[in-house]
Order: sequence, then structure tokens, then C-alpha cells
Amino acid sequence: GAVVSQHPSWVICKSGTSVKIECRSLDFQATTMFWYRQFPKQSLMLMATSNEGSKATYEQGVEKDKFLINHASLTLSTLTVTSAHPEDSSFYICSARQESFNTEAFFGQGTRLTVV
Amino acid sequence: GDSVTQMEGPVTLSEEAFLTINCTYTATGYPSLFWYVQYPGEGLQLLLKATKADDKGSNKGFEATYRKETTSFHLEKGSVQVSDSAVYFCALGDDKIIFGKGTRLHILP
Repeated sequence: GAVVSQHPSWVICKSGTSVKIECRSLDFQATTMFWYRQFPKQSLMLMATSNEGSKATYEQGVEKDKFLINHASLTLSTLTVTSAHPEDSSFYICSARQESFNTEAFFGQGTRLTVV
Repeated sequence: GDSVTQMEGPVTLSEEAFLTINCTYTATGYPSLFWYVQYPGEGLQLLLKATKADDKGSNKGFEATYRKETTSFHLEKGSVQVSDSAVYFCALGDDKIIFGKGTRLHILP
């Protein structure tokens, strides 16, 4: 199956600093990429949808100035958590799909962010 | 907006038992429906999918049928194994993919 690589798998940063998470589709071109935040007790919250070459669409309640998403190419999207605070500590997961509509997405392994 | 509701867990069954995990959805259009599985310590993997009404998705002994009349996509397996222990997510996808809250499944030997 298609492979999505997410890096880093875990990161610890100090409050007030920024951290960047990369998501790459290794063997296909991803028209659309999604970023999720997975909370304790499993639930995945969609943060934003990004299409290559255009601005990301953020879900209601997600601060676009805090969670910067860049989908610069058909194989790479980045999520930058700016001025991180302890409440941003979470598990962030990206996914990617080839078509922009109605097809399955493939998931990265996730990034555990801890802000101290 | 679109949403997915699935049964709360955890679900605990003995090996070889019959499994049903309920999933219902709300959507304005005609989305594809998916079941994803997350094994301990791993990322999400697509288990099966259905793209239109009455389609049946199947994989690894699991099945789910896209029921438009009841807006449901229940996951079933006739005889579960210990290795099926994982978290199962129902999802719908059109321009974005929305997940249910997940159901943790424990299979006892």
C-alpha cells in the first residue's frame, strides 16, 4: 500500500518555541493532505485540510496562526506549531490521498509533541 | 456538518466470538465510508471501504455494508482472534475525512 512518512516521531520543546512536523508521501503524489490531533481515549480531531499549492482550510476552533500548514509540493506537507504551550502537547497525525474527493487516505505514524 | 457516531468501547469478547461494531453517519452528500484500524503502537491502517450505497467492503474476515436507508456502516466479523485486538475507527470521506471516536476491542484467549 501507499506509504506516508511523518517526522519526527516524537519531539520535546520548551514553551514559547516553535516546532515543525513533516509529512511525506513516499510512493504517490498527494493532492490532499490532512492534519489531525489525537486526544487521549482515541478520538481524532481534524485540524485542517491542505491541497497542494493552495492555502489550508482549517476546521472551526483551530487557530490558523498557531498551527501553520504548508503544502509546498505533491509529496510534502508541514505543520508548524508556533509559540508552543503545554496545552499543545498531543499526538499529531498526518494523512495523504491522491485524489481530492471520496478516496481513502493513508496515514503517517504520528508525532508525539511534548511542550515543557 | 458531516459526522460519524460509533459505539462506545471498550468491547471485550472471547476468541471466536461474533463481533459487531455499530457506526452511523450524517452527511449532506454521498461520501465514501471507511473502517480504519489502529493496532497498539502503530498508525492507522485502512481496513475496508465502500464507495456507494449497498457496496460491501471486506478484508481479513471483516465486512461492512454501506446502508444508505439507515445511514449505517456496521463492522462485523464472524470469529474474532486475539490478534484483532485494536482500536477501530469508522470514517466518512468526501472532500475531507471525518472520524468517529473509535472503539477499543479486546479479545481474550
